[in-house]
Amino acid sequence: ETGVTQTPRHLVMGMTNKKSLKCEQHLGHNAMYWYKQSAKKPLELMFVYNFKEQTENNSVPSRFSPECPNSSHLFLHLHTLQPEDSALYLCASSWDRGSSYEQYFGPGTRLTVT
Amino acid sequence: GNSVTQMEGPVTLSEEAFLTINCTYTATGYPSLFWYVQYPGEGLQLLLKATKADDKGSNKGFEATYRKETTSFHLEKGSVQVSDSAVYFCALRPVDSNYQLIWGAGTKLIIKP
Repeated sequence: ETGVTQTPRHLVMGMTNKKSLKCEQHLGHNAMYWYKQSAKKPLELMFVYNFKEQTENNSVPSRFSPECPNSSHLFLHLHTLQPEDSALYLCASSWDRGSSYEQYFGPGTRLTVT
Repeated sequence: GNSVTQMEGPVTLSEEAFLTINCTYTATGYPSLFWYVQYPGEGLQLLLKATKADDKGSNKGFEATYRKETTSFHLEKGSVQVSDSAVYFCALRPVDSNYQLIWGAGTKLIIKP
């Protein structure tokens, strides 16, 4: 595997379910990110981890719970979601130093909450 | 504060036409600037970048020049192909952030054969 991988690619869940999204990066980066992409809205940064430590949490509801066990893996645990949480969830990784800090993205998980 | 403004889409062109997608920004100092592309059903891919004024980023026939005087980073391509159909995002990294990217809303590009 190369780059940033995400599983599952598609997920349908009810509002009472609990599920988890997984992200793995094979680039040797030390920072990882969760984004939410909704139709006709700018990309929303949800969480940032640097060397397993959470550095940003952009006022995300507690029904989204991130976990970063090491600098290569990132999870997003979901519980009691709402229909408006349906979106494409993107994982990204980067270095936290250097001249441009460009982020590399996975293919995303398309989440539908019913 | 920091912000990125892109032209609204969709932009529809015929194959081999010249492409310009406008991007302007508001930020202090000299932020890094990026163009990302998202093909249908995929995540975002870095297309090109520029880190200082007058830098020109280029990749796959696309170019963008960092213009500090007009706070712009317009994306151009001389001859588009059907395979260029995608959504294009302009973004900036503020000078005081290691992680935050400020994103434009995206511009959908449709190329007709």
